[in-house]
Amino acid sequence: GAGVSQSPSNKVTEKGKDVELRCDPISGHTALYWYRQSLGQGLEFLIYFQGNSAPDKSGLPSDRFSAERTGGSVSTLTIQRTQQEDSAVYLCASSLIAGGPTDTQYFGPGTRLTVL
Amino acid sequence: AQSVAQPEDQVNVAEGNPLTVKCTYSVSGNPYLFWYVQYPNRGLQFLLKYITGDNLVKGSYGFEAEFNKSQTSFHLKKPSALVSDSALYFCAVRDERGFKTIFGAGTRLFVKA
Repeated sequence: GAGVSQSPSNKVTEKGKDVELRCDPISGHTALYWYRQSLGQGLEFLIYFQGNSAPDKSGLPSDRFSAERTGGSVSTLTIQRTQQEDSAVYLCASSLIAGGPTDTQYFGPGTRLTVL
Repeated sequence: AQSVAQPEDQVNVAEGNPLTVKCTYSVSGNPYLFWYVQYPNRGLQFLLKYITGDNLVKGSYGFEAEFNKSQTSFHLKKPSALVSDSALYFCAVRDERGFKTIFGAGTRLFVKA
C-alpha cells in the first residue's frame, strides 16, 4: 500500500478483556516497529521485527503484551487482560531494513486504545 | 546508552518569524538523527534526517536542521513560520551501529497569526 495502515483506528474495551491491534506496513519494508504514546507523552519503544523475527522485545511492558509478524508483512500486537494503564495510542512504523542509513521509519495513523 | 533531549515543552512564535526547535542527543558512536512532526490525531510524519555529510539538512515544508557534533545538537529551523506549522515535533536518534531509535518527549510549536 501507499503507507502504513493500522486497524482499528479506535478501540474501547473493558478492563480484563484481550485486544488485538493490527499493522500493515509499507510494501517492501522488512522492518516493523511498535511504539506506545500515552497522552501528551513521547514515544515508548515496544518491539521491532526484522522480517518475522523480533530481535528486541525489551520494551514490552509486561508478559500481557505480545506481538507477532507473519509472512514478513502484517503484524499483530496483542494485549491480554487489559488494564486501564494500557490506555494509549499504539503506533506502528516500518522501514526498508532495521538499522543502517536507510532505516527511516514511516508511521501509521495509530490505534487509540481506551480501557474502561 | 543513547538519549535525546528536547529542552522546551512548548515554543511560541509569530507567523512570518523564524522558528527554532531545540534537540540535543547522546550516543556512544556516530548518530543518525531525525525530525518528525505530529498533527492532532495523526501518526508521526517524517521531516528530515542526518546520516552523514553536509551538516545542514533540508527537509519537507521548508524545514531544515543543523547537525553540530561538538555541541551534540540537531536543532530544527524554519526561516518563516506558518500557522499551519503548529504541531508536535519529535527529535530522534539512533547510533549508527544500533537498531533502536530513541525519540524525545516532543516540543509543541504554536505559531500565532
